[in-house]
Amino acid sequence: AAGVIQSPRHLIKEKRETATLKCYPIPRHDTVYWYQQGPGQDPQFLISFYEKMQSDKGSIPDRFSAQQFSDYHSELNMSSLELGDSALYFCASSFRGAGYTFGSGTRLTVV
Amino acid sequence: AQTVTQSQPEMSVQEAETVTLSCTYDTSESDYYLFWYKQPPSRQMILVIRQEAYKQQNATENRFSVNFQKAAKSFSLKISDSQLGDAAMYFCAYRSAFVDNYGQNFVFGPGTRLSVLP
Repeated sequence: AAGVIQSPRHLIKEKRETATLKCYPIPRHDTVYWYQQGPGQDPQFLISFYEKMQSDKGSIPDRFSAQQFSDYHSELNMSSLELGDSALYFCASSFRGAGYTFGSGTRLTVV
Repeated sequence: AQTVTQSQPEMSVQEAETVTLSCTYDTSESDYYLFWYKQPPSRQMILVIRQEAYKQQNATENRFSVNFQKAAKSFSLKISDSQLGDAAMYFCAYRSAFVDNYGQNFVFGPGTRLSVLP
């Protein structure tokens, strides 16, 4: 069965650069969620989209933005990167709030 | 690859009663960690309890306890004296003790939505 696809798997950026992470949800899932997980920390909810509209907003910095496109894939845009943004970013998708499927994540390293 | 299964999409419990959420996983590794996370409507992931696979003793955290059966690859969560605030989505998660080059070693189950009835 198809899973949630995230790209790239690993990304290295310098401070003050920008990064774009992509998430391709399970087909026919109507909601996408983004999480940030720092080393040794619990996942932090960033933002979610339901049917291409932002549905919930968590602890997402103003330097970050996200959107969901007509094909339901979502992108997390991160600007003015800081060392503290180094983390695992993973997304998940669900249908009617159930059957969550998580991606493997993108490891972002800011140097 | 590791997988985590939660066979109960939804569960309900009467306030003050006890409920058990099931979780099974599949892995060929011998060293790993298991977690239960609670996700309330705020969407934040709150760590409920954690179990190291090398520990035989079941983890306990106040009203929350687990039944860890390593041979059966089962990791159920028991919530005693259920409270209205326990209503949430609960995720079972697996983390390998081995961190690959990308540091990606967390696997989540699909979640169980728990309702607490007054």
